[in-house]
Amino acid sequence: AQSVAQPEDQVNVAEGNPLTVKCTYSVSGNPYLFWYVQYPNRGLQFLLKYITGDNLVKGSYGFEAEFNKSQTSFHLKKPSALVSDSALYFCAVRDPTSRGGGNKLTFGTGTQLKVEL
Amino acid sequence: EPEVTQTPSHQVTQMGQEVILRCVPISNHLYFYWYRQILGQKVEFLVSFYNNEISEKSEIFDDQFSVERPDGSNFTLKIRSTKLEDSAMYFCASSTTGELFFGEGSRLTVL
Repeated sequence: AQSVAQPEDQVNVAEGNPLTVKCTYSVSGNPYLFWYVQYPNRGLQFLLKYITGDNLVKGSYGFEAEFNKSQTSFHLKKPSALVSDSALYFCAVRDPTSRGGGNKLTFGTGTQLKVEL
Repeated sequence: EPEVTQTPSHQVTQMGQEVILRCVPISNHLYFYWYRQILGQKVEFLVSFYNNEISEKSEIFDDQFSVERPDGSNFTLKIRSTKLEDSAMYFCASSTTGELFFGEGSRLTVL
């Protein structure tokens, strides 16, 4: 069965510094990978996805992610963190057995990002 | 920007009562989903829905749960007889063939 692992429960970064939130995946076949962000008491907001093509994917709010097939990783990055980036970040992988054409997603456990002044 | 809307934002109910959570997906989307997030835990898939029927469901989605698209715009999740362990945030989502767009969630508290 497919899975994603987010090895860090929390990442602390100073504002202006680069940030990385780690994600590794396990799936049979070609991976469809996603990053979502959740602000307190809010829903999940889509940041970016990797389906195929360039290994560096650019998304919303200046975030990007690097797909690395050999390391089965899809780390989320941002060159310069903002205090407003503080939130819970989820990596997700599409279940390759999703039926009916939809995208059933398996989520990681989430990483709390804290950006401090 | 189109969005998925959910009501109610918070519902408190007694154990054993029926609850209906409502969602209005994005209008041109074809696939609809319910996920749940127990406090502090991961987001879990419950069910997906396409072409007026369930595409797939997880083992969480037992006989106490049902979904319906009664009128072409709403998408509902019904829990027939709530249990304490059903307390969670329930997220509706919709999609075309790409990423899922999630609503703000309905927090269900079962007492």
